[in-house]
Amino acid sequence: AQRVTQPEKLLSVFKGAPVELKCNYSYSGSPELFWYVQYSRQRLQLLLRHISRESIKGFTADLNKGETSFHLKKPFAQEEDSAMYYCALIAGGGNKLTFGTGTQLKVEL
Amino acid sequence: EAQVTQNPRYLITVTGKKLTVTCSQNMNHEYMSWYRQDPGLGLRQIYYSMNVEVTDKGDVPEGYKVSRKEKRNFPLILESPSPNQTSLYFCASSSRTGSDEQFFGPGTRLTVL
Repeated sequence: AQRVTQPEKLLSVFKGAPVELKCNYSYSGSPELFWYVQYSRQRLQLLLRHISRESIKGFTADLNKGETSFHLKKPFAQEEDSAMYYCALIAGGGNKLTFGTGTQLKVEL
Repeated sequence: EAQVTQNPRYLITVTGKKLTVTCSQNMNHEYMSWYRQDPGLGLRQIYYSMNVEVTDKGDVPEGYKVSRKEKRNFPLILESPSPNQTSLYFCASSSRTGSDEQFFGPGTRLTVL
């Protein structure tokens, strides 16, 4: 069975500090990994996915198959990054999406 | 405007009274899905559909039914709601598969007394 673990419920950082939101997964095959974000009073939306290898709003995430991790990073946090972040996984070739429990990021001034 | 809509947005009901939460998308998407969001548990997939008349179970399908008679609609049916189905429900759609970007609805907050 596939599983996604986000160990931090809440992460509080100061503006300008680096951010790392942790995501670990368990799946024996080749997964597809995603980060979704929900800003206050907005709908859940895709932030980035590992196959795109892109940087969105300054965030990056690298799939580390050895450590089964997909941590989300940003070098300098901004106030508008405050939101709920969810890591999600789909088994390669499948269509069932499994989400982690989410991490609330709070960027303080 | 391209979007996913859900109705109702809020619902309070009693145990055993059948209810349906509707979900509609206007993006001609093939893939649609239902999730429930509970504190400390994140989002859990209930059912998903790859296309008309094609549905499959997610991680927590017990107590729910779905149907996909038309491409744009994917209603969630609770035949006999129970208090443990009190939750925030989200519908989502994507162009073809679960790997494509999913567009989420605004959510339906359901309370079962």
